[in-house]
Amino acid sequence: EPEVTQTPSHQVTQMGQEVILRCVPISNHLYFYWYRQILGQKVEFLVSFYNNEISEKSEIFDDQFSVERPDGSNFTLKIRSTKLEDSAMYFCASSEARQLGGLHFGNGTRLTVT
Amino acid sequence: AQTVTQSQPEMSVQEAETVTLSCTYDTSESDYYLFWYKQPPSRQMILVIRQEAYKQQNATENRFSVNFQKAAKSFSLKISDSQLGDAAMYFCAYIDSGGSNYKLTFGKGTLLTVNP
Repeated sequence: EPEVTQTPSHQVTQMGQEVILRCVPISNHLYFYWYRQILGQKVEFLVSFYNNEISEKSEIFDDQFSVERPDGSNFTLKIRSTKLEDSAMYFCASSEARQLGGLHFGNGTRLTVT
Repeated sequence: AQTVTQSQPEMSVQEAETVTLSCTYDTSESDYYLFWYKQPPSRQMILVIRQEAYKQQNATENRFSVNFQKAAKSFSLKISDSQLGDAAMYFCAYIDSGGSNYKLTFGKGTLLTVNP
């Protein structure tokens, strides 16, 4: 069964550094998402992406965050200058249609900011 | 704004028994989708089951079934013949089916323990 893949599985970075989290969505999916989960808390929506542009973003997704689909297969989340509170599990997800079949999530990238 | 509430932070069940996880939600929309996701210790998010609000029939997937009560805005998950591998955090989630709303709203989760 096709799956969403995320790399790396764990990223450690120093405060103020830039990080790029990478995702390869399922190939025939058209909608792409990033969610995050701070340890012990619920999963929160960050951003959705369709037709090469952001469809919706949450208040968490400020100017420090950006997303890109550079080559038609990868979908990346960049955090320009990481803060301690950015430490979380980041999930990429994709869907064939707009949420109707349910999102397929990757295994997540655990980001640790020190 | 839509909200999803899971009132049981933790639940436990004996292997082979049945357990029901509760979820309520608040929305003014009439057309929407509801989901249950499972998150095992590996932290992966796995779709367990989904329900379209316009369907009166409750969704089932093997040992997993839901009790969808639209008027009461309730969406509980029943796990029959519980197995050790069912131990995980379970999240209830909601999405509008129309408009430009692309985001899932999650509840805080219920941690399910399965006792041998």
